[in-house]
Amino acid sequence: SAVISQKPSRDICQRGTSLTIQCQVDSQVTMMFWYRQQPGQSLTLIATANQGSEATYESGFVIDKFPISRPNLTFSTLTVSNMSPEDSSIYLCSVYSGRAGNEQFFGPGTRLTVL
Amino acid sequence: KQEVTQIPAALSVPEGENLVLNCSFTDSAIYNLQWFRQDPGKGLTSLLLIQSSQREQTSGRLNASLDKSSGRSTLYIAASQPGDSATYLCAVRRNQAGTALIFGKGTTLSVSS
Repeated sequence: SAVISQKPSRDICQRGTSLTIQCQVDSQVTMMFWYRQQPGQSLTLIATANQGSEATYESGFVIDKFPISRPNLTFSTLTVSNMSPEDSSIYLCSVYSGRAGNEQFFGPGTRLTVL
Repeated sequence: KQEVTQIPAALSVPEGENLVLNCSFTDSAIYNLQWFRQDPGKGLTSLLLIQSSQREQTSGRLNASLDKSSGRSTLYIAASQPGDSATYLCAVRRNQAGTALIFGKGTTLSVSS
């Protein structure tokens, strides 16, 4: 299995500012996934980050709002830009690992509150 | 478009009961299905992974079944304990090409002592 850490674990931010979330994996992986979980809701995929290429964004998510970096095979960042209260969510990164790379593992999440 | 539905949305049971959580998906062409547990304000813990060719997987008091043709999976929890209280999420993966999971909204379980 993969061990994933995220920083920060939580933050309270002011409207209009930006926050960068870091995700570190204990093994090299090709793909990293960023999800958002709004209050009381399930997980929604924001984007898929491959090392050495541009991230692929899901419908409803754009690079200007959620820029992603993937500088190497164990690390990625997600920035939430020009935040509004609607961005208050838990942000989670995940990877495939385990037997045959079939199982998805998640980081502990970053709880973001925007005032 | 794949949609995942979980029923019930919430469930309260006394300690010791056996219970079943349900998950259905609209497109039977899945690669695998995963059950997760999420404690309040926390990340997800993987419980069981069932490949599309498998019918069930077991881990301790948990048993997950998969009927791909009917688009259904169940998570059976035996002899429930207060520590089982959490939200249980079902998610499906479309194919082997590293696609992300599609999640249901979860079932929030409360086990009282």
